[in-house]
Order: sequence, then structure tokens, then C-alpha cells
Amino acid sequence: KAGVTQTPRYLIKTRGQQVTLSCSPISGHRSVSWYQQTPGQGLQFLFEYFSETQRNKGNFPGRFSGRQFSNSRSEMNVSTLELGDSALYLCASSLEWESTDTQYFGPGTRLTVL
Amino acid sequence: GQNIDQPTEMTATEGAIVQINCTYQTSGFNGLFWYQQHAGEAPTFLSYNVLDGLEEKGRFSSFLSRSKGYSYLLLKELQMKDSASYLCAVCDNYGQNFVFGPGTRLSVLP
Repeated sequence: KAGVTQTPRYLIKTRGQQVTLSCSPISGHRSVSWYQQTPGQGLQFLFEYFSETQRNKGNFPGRFSGRQFSNSRSEMNVSTLELGDSALYLCASSLEWESTDTQYFGPGTRLTVL
Repeated sequence: GQNIDQPTEMTATEGAIVQINCTYQTSGFNGLFWYQQHAGEAPTFLSYNVLDGLEEKGRFSSFLSRSKGYSYLLLKELQMKDSASYLCAVCDNYGQNFVFGPGTRLSVLP
């Protein structure tokens, strides 16, 4: 079974631009979560989608948004990029996102904002 | 508030045993996870504890005490490939968020 895939793997943008990242979950997984990882803050939860609905949201500004499609693929969007948005963005999928469900992480998209 | 603490760095010798501690204070508790993350790679699942006690899986074991808000990951017969960051994460059933600790960077020396 193929793992979680994320595209693109690397991205360079400038301040003020917007960016869209894509995540394809493991086949059959319906929950997709997004995380931001930086050296200073570690792994921080952004939001989680299940059946095209955002169920949970972390403490990030409204510039960070996402959506999920009927095939469970998910995208996240960051508008008006800031230097501090430079990070590794990880997507994780699980069957249902109950606590007993293991999350499987994709390789991440490394975003650099100049 | 949510708070998870882990030591920042640890060093151990190949073949030895190392224990990585994790303490947590969260508004709810619905399970604790340990992940391994090699530099430049995504985290991979190691273990899950929801009841008190020890869960053993090969060279890796994880322990949980809910009353103390405490867990540890025990790595036996250390190998060079075990050099990685180890992340402790708590599933907070209030909002069903996953809260990750800062990670412990383990260096295994020959």
C-alpha cells in the first residue's frame, strides 16, 4: 500500500505571496492532519479534516487554511506569507483519527520564505 | 494549558540501554504516542499507550503512568541507526488534538 505523499517537496516563495500544498493520504484513510515543524517550536498541529469537514483546528492565524476533497486528498493554503512561515509542513493520515488510530506521516514539504 | 516536556538531547553508546522520559500536562488524555524522526525525514510511529503499564515491542518499550503524567521510551541494544529524534505526543480528548513534545535528540556513539 502506498504511503502518504506530499507535493511539492520543496518550495521557495517571497513574503506576501501565497502557497498551496497538497497531500494524498494512504488509500482508505479518511482523516488528514496538517502540522508545521520548525526548529524552535517543534511539531505544531494546524488542523484536521475528515470527510471534507474541518473537525479540529490548532492555534494558527486565519492565513492558514485547508480543505479536503471527496477522495480524501487535502490541500493547505497559506496566504500573505511571512518569513516565520518557513518550515517543514507535514501531512499525516489515519483511518478515522480516533485515539487508537496510528497517524502515518508524509515526507513533508519544506517551505522557504525569502 | 498544554505542556509536554522531554530532555533536549541524550547520548548513549552502541549496545547500551537508554530511557527517554516524557512528562505531560494536558486538558484531557486519550493516549500517548512515541514517534521516531531521523534528520530530514518524517516521523514514524513507534508505540502507543493508553493504559498504565509497559508495552514491549522488540527492542523498544514504552511505559505510562497516567496519575503521574509520565511516560518513558526504553531502547535496548542500541544501534547506530537509532540516532534520531524521539517525539512524545499526547492525544488530548478535549478537541481531539495531538500535542507534540519538543523531541529528544539521541546520539548513539560507537
